Amino acid sequence: AQKITQTQPGMFVQEKEAVTLDCTYDTSDQSYGLFWYKQPSSGEMIFLIYQGSYDEQNATEGRYSLNFQKARKSANLVISASQLGDSAMYFCAMRLHGQNFVFGPGTRLSVLP
Amino acid sequence: DSGVTQTPKHLITATGQRVTLRCSPRSGDLSVYWYQQSLDQGLQFLIQYYNGEERAKGNILERFSAQQFPDLHSELNLSSLELGDSALYFCASSEDPGVVGYTFGSGTRLTVV
Repeated sequence: AQKITQTQPGMFVQEKEAVTLDCTYDTSDQSYGLFWYKQPSSGEMIFLIYQGSYDEQNATEGRYSLNFQKARKSANLVISASQLGDSAMYFCAMRLHGQNFVFGPGTRLSVLP
Repeated sequence: DSGVTQTPKHLITATGQRVTLRCSPRSGDLSVYWYQQSLDQGLQFLIQYYNGEERAKGNILERFSAQQFPDLHSELNLSSLELGDSALYFCASSEDPGVVGYTFGSGTRLTVV
């Protein structure tokens, strides 16, 4: 069965600093997608970044980058130059081809002024 | 605006009652997914529809049912409500059941009193 582990229930980071949110996954499939979503206190789920299992380059989207280490089955999210608006829950998720998302338990990030 | 519309945004109802949550997917998306997010269970997949047909079932209780209509909107029916059904219910849509990501709606917050 597929599983996503996020070992950091909560993280603090100083404004303008970089922060890494950890995510490890477990699957025996070769084809899968890895995703990060942000959930602010208002509740909506906001897509941040996607990494395909066959992508050789790490995905980047603005201040977000995904540190993909396939052999270690890790897909850490790096947020550079943190902003106060980055304070939120962050969910790592995996999707196998034709199947549904499996989400991790989430990491609550608090950005300090 | 993500393009996925969920109504209502908030719902307060009493135990034993029945409610219907509605979702309109993003234009062009044929798949609709329902997720439940509660404090103790995290994000749990409930059910998926693809072009009107049930495609996959997750941890959906027998008291819950869903359907997708010919215009592709979907409804999630929750009956005999219990206090533990209080949660944020998300609808998401995607073009196909591949490894692409979902687009989430803003959710319906259900409170059972």
